[in-house]
Amino acid sequence: DGGITQSPKYLFRKEGQNVTLSCEQNLNHDAMYWYRQDPGQGLRLIYYSQIVNDFQKGDIAEGYSVSREKKESFPLTVTSAQKNPTAFYLCASSRTGQGGNQPQHFGDGTRLSIL
Amino acid sequence: AQSVTQLGSHVSVSEGALVLLRCNYSSSVPPYLFWYVQYPNQGLQLLLKYTSAATLVKGINGFEAEFKKSETSFHLTKPSAHMSDAAEYFCAVKTSYDKVIFGPGTSLSVIP
Repeated sequence: DGGITQSPKYLFRKEGQNVTLSCEQNLNHDAMYWYRQDPGQGLRLIYYSQIVNDFQKGDIAEGYSVSREKKESFPLTVTSAQKNPTAFYLCASSRTGQGGNQPQHFGDGTRLSIL
Repeated sequence: AQSVTQLGSHVSVSEGALVLLRCNYSSSVPPYLFWYVQYPNQGLQLLLKYTSAATLVKGINGFEAEFKKSETSFHLTKPSAHMSDAAEYFCAVKTSYDKVIFGPGTSLSVIP
């Protein structure tokens, strides 16, 4: 079955440490997204990519970095510069074009906590 | 700029009662609208989407939504709530550049 796989499901970060969250999709989608979800705040866009080797900052990109070297993969690194990284992180993908009514497909998320 | 508001961060209904979750949007162009559902510790699942083919859109699990341009609304309804409907519901609007703006979400509780 096609879908999006996020790993790990739970992740703990020590002070001053960078951690990388994995996101892989086999839906052959061009666009991929990273969101941060905090209680009561809905989803906030961190980064998105519409094509391999290209990505754009979202609304809260500071303290995060991404790469898009392959169509299937869009890893997110939470750097030590992100002072409040505790949150639920969601990866999504979608087709592009066709009038813009393509929905996003989501992974099951990674919950990141500080030790 | 496009935005989405969801009236009521928490809604409680009795099992078997009507579910009504409100969504209003602002958009300078005809919008692409979506409703998603999220169960605890999971990602979002698409319930339904507005494609401009019809103003009343039917989705999964018995949900439907009506697009009302004059009211800039896209409210989600279900005639009879089931215990399994308890979840977080998000309304979303998509821009022309494949960015999606999500509302803050409404948590639905179903009382037996």
